[in-house]
Amino acid sequence: DTAVSQTPKYLVTQMGNDKSIKCEQNLGHDTMYWYKQDSKKFLKIMFSYNNKELIINETVPNRFSPKSPDKAHLNLHINSLELGDSAVYFCASSPRDRGYTGELFFGEGSRLTVL
Amino acid sequence: AQKITQTQPGMFVQEKEAVTLDCTYDTSDQSYGLFWYKQPSSGEMIFLIYQGSYDEQNATEGRYSLNFQKARKSANLVISASQLGDSAMYFCAMRPPDNYGQNFVFGPGTRLSVLP
Repeated sequence: DTAVSQTPKYLVTQMGNDKSIKCEQNLGHDTMYWYKQDSKKFLKIMFSYNNKELIINETVPNRFSPKSPDKAHLNLHINSLELGDSAVYFCASSPRDRGYTGELFFGEGSRLTVL
Repeated sequence: AQKITQTQPGMFVQEKEAVTLDCTYDTSDQSYGLFWYKQPSSGEMIFLIYQGSYDEQNATEGRYSLNFQKARKSANLVISASQLGDSAMYFCAMRPPDNYGQNFVFGPGTRLSVLP
């Protein structure tokens, strides 16, 4: 009954391959995010969705495509993987209720290694 | 644009001592939220504490307290009675006023090492 779950947790693949990371939250939150954490631990937002609507689409290569089939799921598909895509990818969610602190609830992260 | 600065890449503290992790931020918004997260070596992100920009009292959660100085735009995390399990990366983050999927901005983090 993990609140925000990501699969797979580890992904090792060759350059040029296409891969997906899935994320599901059972918290009933309206907003979901993808963050990338690089080797220096810096966290940068990639995308955010609110009720399946794309809100933020930061400057990431268009090889990265998010898909939100419903408000509980936000998947990340990556085409033509490159060495520089190696990172930890975090899915997160937050409620939109006014008065709530709006903290992010993170998944456990998916460590992607591109060889 | 919002920005978070954490000037201490690494900190050491003796077990049972208190430690302050610095965080300064830059925003033109009047309303915002400030957060601290802990990332142990296992990798998960753990929410520690929240401070709203209009909160008059400094936030406290157990051994964690947030020293909020709005005029200086600082939101330092104070950990009292450090424990070995506090060794981790600590991130300061800021959320803009409307939580409509807007961007949480994170600082670069401070790696805290607690010495026995």
